[in-house]
Amino acid sequence: EVQLLESGGRVVRPGGSLRLSCTASGFIFDDYGMSWVRQVPGKGLEWVSGINWNANDAGYADSLKGRCTISRDNAKNSVHLQMTSLRVEDTALYYCVRVRTGSYHDGFDIWGQGTMLTVSS
Amino acid sequence: SYVVTQPPSVSVAPGETARITCGGSQIEDKGVFWYQQKPGQAPVLVMYYDKVRPSGIPERFSGSNSGNTATLTISRVAPGDEADFYCQVYDNFRGVFGGGTKLTVL
Repeated sequence: EVQLLESGGRVVRPGGSLRLSCTASGFIFDDYGMSWVRQVPGKGLEWVSGINWNANDAGYADSLKGRCTISRDNAKNSVHLQMTSLRVEDTALYYCVRVRTGSYHDGFDIWGQGTMLTVSS
Repeated sequence: SYVVTQPPSVSVAPGETARITCGGSQIEDKGVFWYQQKPGQAPVLVMYYDKVRPSGIPERFSGSNSGNTATLTISRVAPGDEADFYCQVYDNFRGVFGGGTKLTVL
């Protein structure tokens, strides 16, 4: 079964840092780009970041640029999002998603169930 | 930055046709992706590259893109189609989602 399992979400103080992780199973991981999409509960979707199949191309939303770094470990079928200088407005459910091609700028055909990040003092 | 606009809500009776629009400057030059999200669930890709249905998506779902408007059309709407729908494009290699449209089946 194709599956994405996120972890790392928790309560963090403003200004703090966090690393979100996603472990993939059921498909050839390094055939696909991967991305992160977030959603404030009850609100819309926001693209956060994406990385291509071999990690030599990545992109970031303007709202997070300079504050987050996406990476992947193809040997461990995992993708990570390191976030720093966290703000209250970063509070959201963070979805790990598979991109339907090796690029990171294509549609998202597999979604995890999400991991919740709460930034609060 | 690129802005994508969707109507907040669309309502149709069962069996009718729902059309959900996605507006953006010269959006016809971009590939549009559509997602369906039911309450408490992760989104599902229902259309990519404007008009291509992923495997498992009913033929009742179709897409088009012309000028400044892309459209997701759902024929013979059923109660189970009720959900939030989001369109998405890429601009300068950054993903951009529309604000979402709540489809209500009356």
